[in-house]
Amino acid sequence: QVQLQESGPGLVRPSQTLSLTCTVSGVSVTSDNSYWSWIRQPAGRELEWIGRIYIRGTAKYNPSLTSRVTISADTSKNQFSLKLKSVTAADTAVYYCARVTLMPLAATFAPDALAQWGHGTLVTVSS
Amino acid sequence: SSDLIQPPSVSVSPGQTASITCFGDNLGEKYVSWYQQRPGQSPVLVISQDIKRPSGIPERFSGSNSGNTATLTISGAQPMDEADYYCQAWDSDTALFGSGTKVTVL
Repeated sequence: QVQLQESGPGLVRPSQTLSLTCTVSGVSVTSDNSYWSWIRQPAGRELEWIGRIYIRGTAKYNPSLTSRVTISADTSKNQFSLKLKSVTAADTAVYYCARVTLMPLAATFAPDALAQWGHGTLVTVSS
Repeated sequence: SSDLIQPPSVSVSPGQTASITCFGDNLGEKYVSWYQQRPGQSPVLVISQDIKRPSGIPERFSGSNSGNTATLTISGAQPMDEADYYCQAWDSDTALFGSGTKVTVL
């Protein structure tokens, strides 16, 4: 059974860097058939995709956030992490980590669905 | 704002059918997934690849996708189906989410 759990500070000061970690169990983050993704949701608003990492490839980010975001992985701990720099109040949200399954497509593969999600963690940006 | 447009709300009586639409340019050329999010909970995948139900998802959930519109149908809606629903597709390896639809069962 695949499980994901977010962890990190619940309060971040404006202009500082938001850092979160997702601990994965039930599957290795080095799995060939998975992307590892971050998504956020401001209160009462829709879901926003932040980005993803594939252990055997590069990271990919939401174009609106790419200048501030870094997603990385620690295979020894079976974790992946999010760093979002220069935060403002607009970055206040519940942050989710999720596993994206991959499906075969022609001679390669493509992302399918966000099959498993963590419970989410609220991060507030405030002084 | 979202690239995938959904109606803000849909109401349905218990036992009746609810249809939730998701509109996007040439959406029928992409695979669409649907997620259910109950209040205070994380999203749960209910449909992938337009029509596939993951294990454990009731048969009353079904999907379709053609042209510019994908549709999630709940046949015989139950009170437990009251939730927000989001469509999602991939564009150039970037995930797009719909604006979300609140389904009320009453």
